[in-house]
Amino acid sequence: NAGVTQTPKFRILKIGQSMTLQCTQDMNHNYMYWYRQDPGMGLKLIYYSVGAGITDKGEVPNGYNVSRSTTEDFPLRLELAAPSQTSVYFCASSYSTGQVYGYTFGSGTRLTVV
Amino acid sequence: AQKITQTQPGMFVQEKEAVTLDCTYDTSDPSYGLFWYKQPSSGEMIFLIYQGSYDQQNATEGRYSLNFQKARKSANLVISASQLGDSAMYFCAMRGPSGNEKLTFGTGTRLTIIP
Repeated sequence: NAGVTQTPKFRILKIGQSMTLQCTQDMNHNYMYWYRQDPGMGLKLIYYSVGAGITDKGEVPNGYNVSRSTTEDFPLRLELAAPSQTSVYFCASSYSTGQVYGYTFGSGTRLTVV
Repeated sequence: AQKITQTQPGMFVQEKEAVTLDCTYDTSDPSYGLFWYKQPSSGEMIFLIYQGSYDQQNATEGRYSLNFQKARKSANLVISASQLGDSAMYFCAMRGPSGNEKLTFGTGTRLTIIP
């Protein structure tokens, strides 16, 4: 199984440009998440989804948009890139079965806005 | 709202010694779970150990154990017999009850193992 696949791994954007960070999971997990990690800090939740067609804002949603048209895909859109969006972005998915919870993280996308 | 606090920004430990990384949490939900993740310099998030709020015993996974003190709202990670490969960032995280399963992370502790 591939798990959670993020593309691209690295990207440099100019201020004002837009881009989409791709995230795909092949585990049939209902829950998917986007986090950002600033240097030396913990992960902060940008957006999450509890299933296809359902998304909700996390702690730091400003400047981002998401969609969830299928169970597998959860892309993150940056419309007008700003230097403050320079960060490492992690996509994750999760399942729960009774009292068992499992989270799988992608390998991250390192984004620099210049 | 859920909150995770890690008060140790950095720690230095001699190889082969045990180390305890602190984590306190705050939640009003009776059902929750606590995770520890390791993030090496390569950047990936590696799951270490999980403790559910209703689990009767402290979780253990090889050299990792979780010292869960519910009344104190603490979930410290204990690494026994530390190795050079344990040098990394360590994050404590909490999930809410079913239906609120997003993870809230602490700010992390950078652990450095000294040979």
